[in-house]
Amino acid sequence: GAGVSQSPSNKVTEKGKDVELRCDPISGHTALYWYRQSLGQGLEFLIYFQGNSAPDKSGLPSDRFSAERTGGSVSTLTIQRTQQEDSAVYLCASSLGPWQGAPVVETQYFGPGTRLLVL
Amino acid sequence: SQKIEQNSEALNIQEGKTATLTCNYTNYSPAYLQWYRQDPGRGPVFLLLIRENEKEKRKERLKVTFDTTLKQSLFHITASQPADSATYLCALSRDDKIIFGKGTRLHILP
Repeated sequence: GAGVSQSPSNKVTEKGKDVELRCDPISGHTALYWYRQSLGQGLEFLIYFQGNSAPDKSGLPSDRFSAERTGGSVSTLTIQRTQQEDSAVYLCASSLGPWQGAPVVETQYFGPGTRLLVL
Repeated sequence: SQKIEQNSEALNIQEGKTATLTCNYTNYSPAYLQWYRQDPGRGPVFLLLIRENEKEKRKERLKVTFDTTLKQSLFHITASQPADSATYLCALSRDDKIIFGKGTRLHILP
């Protein structure tokens, strides 16, 4: 595809329900990142996938949050037993690297985000 | 802990003037520094990347400077236009880690 896509674009759910957010990265991008952005706040790192390596989960705020990436492409972020404080925009980004030949993360391409509202 | 500081208040600049945004950081030695633009309801869009061994980089009306001694980057938009109004995010990266500032809201007044 032309860019990173995310679905749904908006999600309203009730407290206690589970939600799944999807990210389709740019084809060929090996790195995929999930961020959370609350109103007026910066980007909060959640989780990072690089190729077939074990994901960096150091940013996940609680064990209610999990993510997987199937076949090195599509990723799903799951939030179990949602709480009102989970309301935010969830952004996904992909990048070509880093990899051995270019070990520093460079340009990130972001999707439009999923706006999650937990009532 | 690692910290990135950007002007927390909105910056209002008259159309045609140069807008200058600041990004300061502490407890970090980035290999790369990047600037992104974010419009309301959209994801950030990459603008410029500057490496630790570079002092300045330009792209059309944009200029970025990087001072690793001061731990500071300046982002300039010359001949500013109302369409430049957005939030601008600074990001630092080393290895596979990248951290973002909270951004500065820029308003270009017609």
